[in-house]
Amino acid sequence: DTEVTQTPKHLVMGMTNKKSLKCEQHMGHRAMYWYKQKAKKPPELMFVYSYEKLSINESVPSRFSPECPNSSLLNLHLHALQPEDSALYLCASRRREEGDTEAFFGQGTRLTVV
Amino acid sequence: ELKVEQNPLFLSMQEGKNYTIYCNYSTTSDRLYWYRQDPGKSLESLFVLLSNGAVKQEGRLMASLDTKARLSTLHITAAVHDLSATYFCAVNRDDKIIFGKGTRLHILP
Repeated sequence: DTEVTQTPKHLVMGMTNKKSLKCEQHMGHRAMYWYKQKAKKPPELMFVYSYEKLSINESVPSRFSPECPNSSLLNLHLHALQPEDSALYLCASRRREEGDTEAFFGQGTRLTVV
Repeated sequence: ELKVEQNPLFLSMQEGKNYTIYCNYSTTSDRLYWYRQDPGKSLESLFVLLSNGAVKQEGRLMASLDTKARLSTLHITAAVHDLSATYFCAVNRDDKIIFGKGTRLHILP
């Protein structure tokens, strides 16, 4: 199983809504990532969790709040977003231990803020 | 600060031709990734390169790594239309995986 599963696949939310994105992997990977990707741009790193602890926050606005409840699950809580936050949100994971090679990406959540 | 530069950013080529995409990075890294992305889709892992001189091949794509020059290349042999996509290199350092701007490859049938 080399799968990273993201839900939902599509999300439309208003600027006053609260929603969450979910990411799950069962490969025993101990590093998990959130990226934001705008059209025709590269993925932009937002957060990194290493062994369930937040290790990197790339100065992301507080309206994005990550959470790692366990080693298989990563959430991104969204609140009071702006239309410019509309993008493809990608989750990734890698082993970070012996045998660490690939970083696998989920299929993404396409977020539209209205 | 880790920076990753790719060139060219856009490439239009005829089927059957060969070409190379270049990826330079600014600081030492412990691994380099190549990904493919089709429009509206996620990232598909192509190669992971771990050590100096590493070369990996899959079909018409071959990737290599020169850690001393901080340079990786993705070579396309006898391009076919199905290879049209955006190709990203990415570099890992201290848990950060940072992407280049991508190369949009358009192969004309």
